[in-house]
Formats: sequence, C-alpha cells, structure tokens
Amino acid sequence: DGGITQSPKYLFRKEGQNVTLSCEQNLNHDAMYWYRQDPGQGLRLIYYSQIVNDFQKGDIAEGYSVSREKKESFPLTVTSAQKNPTAFYLCASSIPGSYGYTFGSGTRLTVV
Amino acid sequence: EDQVTQSPEALRLQEGESSSLNCSYTVSGLRGLFWYRQDPGKGPEFLFTLYSAGEEKEKERLKATLTKKESFLHITAPKPEDSATYLCAVQTPTDSWGKLQFGAGTQVVVTP
Repeated sequence: DGGITQSPKYLFRKEGQNVTLSCEQNLNHDAMYWYRQDPGQGLRLIYYSQIVNDFQKGDIAEGYSVSREKKESFPLTVTSAQKNPTAFYLCASSIPGSYGYTFGSGTRLTVV
Repeated sequence: EDQVTQSPEALRLQEGESSSLNCSYTVSGLRGLFWYRQDPGKGPEFLFTLYSAGEEKEKERLKATLTKKESFLHITAPKPEDSATYLCAVQTPTDSWGKLQFGAGTQVVVTP
C-alpha cells in the first residue's frame, strides 16, 4: 500500500546535538512538507519542496534544514540552533496544486 | 493577516449527543477548506474538502458545511470511536502550490 513513513517514532536529543528525522513516501507525489505541532497551536510549516533538488522555507524555518535528493525522501535536520525543538513533527506529501495532503504518522522529538 | 480559528477548543459529548464544531477563517480568497481527524500520537487523516459556499459533504456520522466565513463539522449521534482532535485547514489562491494553514483543532471526547 502507498503511504508516508516517518522514523523514528520517538527521538531524544541532547543539548547541542543535531538530529535528523526521516520521511519516505511511495505515493509518487512531487510535493513534500514538514510541519511542527505544539499543544494548543495549529500545525506550522517548516519547509516544503515541490520538486527534487529544490525546497523553500516555510513560516518557522530557523534552526532547521532539509534536503531533497530523491523524489521519495525529504529528511529534516533539527540543528542545535533550534532553541525549542521539543514538538511533534509531521511530514506530508501531495500532488502540487492538488487539494489535500497525505500525512505520515509523526515523530515526537524531546530534548533531554 | 490570514487566520483560521476553531471553536470550541474541547468538547465532551455523551454517546448519541449530536453537536457541531466551528472553523472560522479570514483569508484573502479561499481555494479550499479541509477537515482532518487526528488520533493521539498519530498523523492527521483526511476527511473532507469543501470548495465553495453552500457545499456539503457527508461521511458516516460526520457532515461538513461551508459558508463564506466559516465551516461547520456536524457530528450526528456520535460514538466513542469518534473521539479525536478535528483539524480545519484552508488553502488560498496565493498558496496554490499546496500550503495549508491550520487551525489549532477541537478535541472531541465521546463517553459511553
């Protein structure tokens, strides 16, 4: 079955560490997105990519980086510059211009 | 500034007690309005897309409606398995590449 796989489900980061969240899709979607979800707030866009080797900053890109070397993969790195990284991270994909996303199951990142 | 506001923040229902969730939006044009269901610790699951005022869509006990300023998600005779957080999102013509702007969600608990 087609879908989006995020890994790991839980991730713990020490102060000063960079960590990478994985997102893989087999839906043949061109567009991929990373959102951050915090309690009591709507999902906020971190980065998005419409095609391979191209990506754009979203509303809260500071302290994050991404790459898009393959259509199927859109990993997110949370760098040490991100001061408050504890959150639930969601990856999504869509056909560009289409009317909705397919989401992964999320990664919960906690700073220890 | 574009805004999406959901109310109430939380809703507790008895099984069989019908109710409605509200999503109001102030955006510069609406390309589509989306409803998602999210279970704890999981990614959002697509429910409906509405494109124009007056449109209605139904799925089992859920019915979504759209006006020029807001959307309602009606839950008829809810069951405990309808317990979830319901998210509303909008897409504007300037975000035709795919960006969705999300509300904070309404957490629904249905008790037997």
